[in-house]
Amino acid sequence: EAGVAQSPRYKIIEKRQSVAFWCNPISGHATLYWYQQILGQGPKLLIQFQNNGVVDDSQLPKDRFSAERLKGVDSTLKIQPAKLEDSAVYLCASSPGVNNEQFFGPGTRLTVL
Amino acid sequence: AQSVTQLDSQVPVFEEAPVELRCNYSSSVSVYLFWYVQYPNQGLQLLLKYLSGSTLVKGINGFEAEFNKSQTSFHLRKPSVHISDTAEYFCAVGKNNNDMRFGAGTRLTVKP
Repeated sequence: EAGVAQSPRYKIIEKRQSVAFWCNPISGHATLYWYQQILGQGPKLLIQFQNNGVVDDSQLPKDRFSAERLKGVDSTLKIQPAKLEDSAVYLCASSPGVNNEQFFGPGTRLTVL
Repeated sequence: AQSVTQLDSQVPVFEEAPVELRCNYSSSVSVYLFWYVQYPNQGLQLLLKYLSGSTLVKGINGFEAEFNKSQTSFHLRKPSVHISDTAEYFCAVGKNNNDMRFGAGTRLTVKP
């Protein structure tokens, strides 16, 4: 079974530029998560989708971050404009449902200069 | 909202020695508890989880954890570690698969 796919794996941008990350969850997984992991910290949940609806986006900085999951499959996370403090690894995870394990992708490492 | 504290940021240990990675949580409601492992340049992988039932939970790679409700702890243990166990370990608390909160992580370094 293919795992959670993310691209790109690495991205370097200047501050105030825009960037987008892509995630393809495991086939059939209804729930999709985006996490931000700053160096030396644990992952922080940014947004959670159930199919194509948002379940939790309470920690998403909505003035600059946006995410969508069209058709309830792939998802994109966008930052516009980026700030220096957005430098982090962005992790995507998916889950088949309640009480089930979250499967994580390898992450996208973003560096904002 | 719930929160997680991992009491040790780094744990060095010699190969074949036992290890305990400590995790305390706080929550006003019943929650589920998880331990994840992250190897260098890889995503997180679930080691074990506590949802209900027996307080002693066994996971992959010989790890186990004990849920202690009175002490609000969920410490991870392994009786004999290997070099390959060197990684970052994260404790997490959530409600079902919602509202997950991760600790800051414990870096386990196993030395020969």
